[in-house]
Order: sequence, then C-alpha cells, then structure tokens
Amino acid sequence: AQSVTQLGSHVSVSEGALVLLRCNYSSSVPPYLFWYVQYPNQGLQLLLKYTSAATLVKGINGFEAEFKKSETSFHLTKPSAHMSDAAEYFCAVRVYGGSQGNLIFGKGTKLSVKP
Amino acid sequence: NAGVMQNPRHLVRRRGQEARLRCSPMKGHSHVYWYRQLPEEGLKFMVYLQKENIIDESGMPKERFSAEFPKEGPSILRIQQVVRGDSAAYFCASSPGTMTSYNEQFFGPGTRLTVL
Repeated sequence: AQSVTQLGSHVSVSEGALVLLRCNYSSSVPPYLFWYVQYPNQGLQLLLKYTSAATLVKGINGFEAEFKKSETSFHLTKPSAHMSDAAEYFCAVRVYGGSQGNLIFGKGTKLSVKP
Repeated sequence: NAGVMQNPRHLVRRRGQEARLRCSPMKGHSHVYWYRQLPEEGLKFMVYLQKENIIDESGMPKERFSAEFPKEGPSILRIQQVVRGDSAAYFCASSPGTMTSYNEQFFGPGTRLTVL
C-alpha cells in the first residue's frame, strides 16, 4: 500500500534562504507524486508533479522537486524564499492503475518565512 | 474556464441536523473526488465518483455519510445526523479521467463545516 511521510510539520526560513521540504513515499509500484500548496482558508493548488518523464521536476513559483528512487524521496526545494511562500505544503502519491484514482496525502508542512 | 466550485463555503449545523455539500467539477471533467481535512491533518480520501457511479467509497464512514454524482447537476456529499466530530473542511477535486493515470486533480476552495 502507498503512503507518504512528510518530515517536519513546521519549517521556518528567512526571506532569501533555501527552502527544503521533505517527502518520503512508500509504494510497491512506480508512483506518481505531487506537491500541492494550500494558503489559509483556500483549496489546494498544484505546484508540480512527477510522472516518470524526468526525475527533476520544475513547478510554479520557482519550486522544483527531485525524484530519487533509491531514497524513495521527492523533496521540494526553492533556492530563495519569498514572504508569499508562507503556506502549508502537501506531498501526495497517486494510487496507480485499476479503478482507484485517489491521492494519498502527507500530513503537511507549514512553511513560515521570516523577514 | 471556471474552476471547481463548492458551496456553501461555510456551513454551520447543530448536532443531529443534516449537512449537504455541493461540488461542481471543472467543465469537461467527469471524475469527482471528495476529501476531508481535519485540523492539523492532511487530506483524507473519502469517495471517488463518476457520473451516476460510485467507483471507490473505501474512505467513507459506514454510517451517516453518502455521496452522489447525478447525470445532471453537481456532486453532493450528504452527512446525516451530524456530530461534533464531523467538523472539518471538505474538499472536492475533479479530473478529466483516468485514461492517463497522472491526470492532475483540481481542487475546489472547500466547505468548512462547523457542528455546534
């Protein structure tokens, strides 16, 4: 069965610093992986997705993530944090094949950006 | 092109009442998913529907909860005899289909249910 673990429920960085949000997955088959962002009282917006085409995936707002099969990881990074990046970030894995289509989410990481 | 629409955005119910949450998928999308988000938790899958069919309801509580996606109109998540533990944000997502398994799911803004 697939699962997702996000290390660190809260991450705080200074404006301009590197952002690193960790995600590890468990899957017996090649996974499809996603990062979503949620701003307060809003729905989820897709940042980027891994679909096996390339291991380094670039998303919106300067974010990117690298799929590492050997480490079963899909960490999200951004070279320079901006105040507007403060939000909650969710890593998710897509159940592969069959009639199932749902996403399995991690518990989320709240990112704070200090001026 | 309008995104996924959910209404109401906020819903307050007293214990024992019924809650009806509506979701209109994006134009051209025939697949709808419902998720529940409890405080300090990630989203938990509840049910996956296509038009007039429930495909997977493995995440739905066995009692009081039901969902439908009729041929015409929005998808409805119904919670009967609500209890305080039902207080949560309920999100709907839609996708064009599963012919390509990595189809993105587009999320609505959510309905925040408060049970008094």
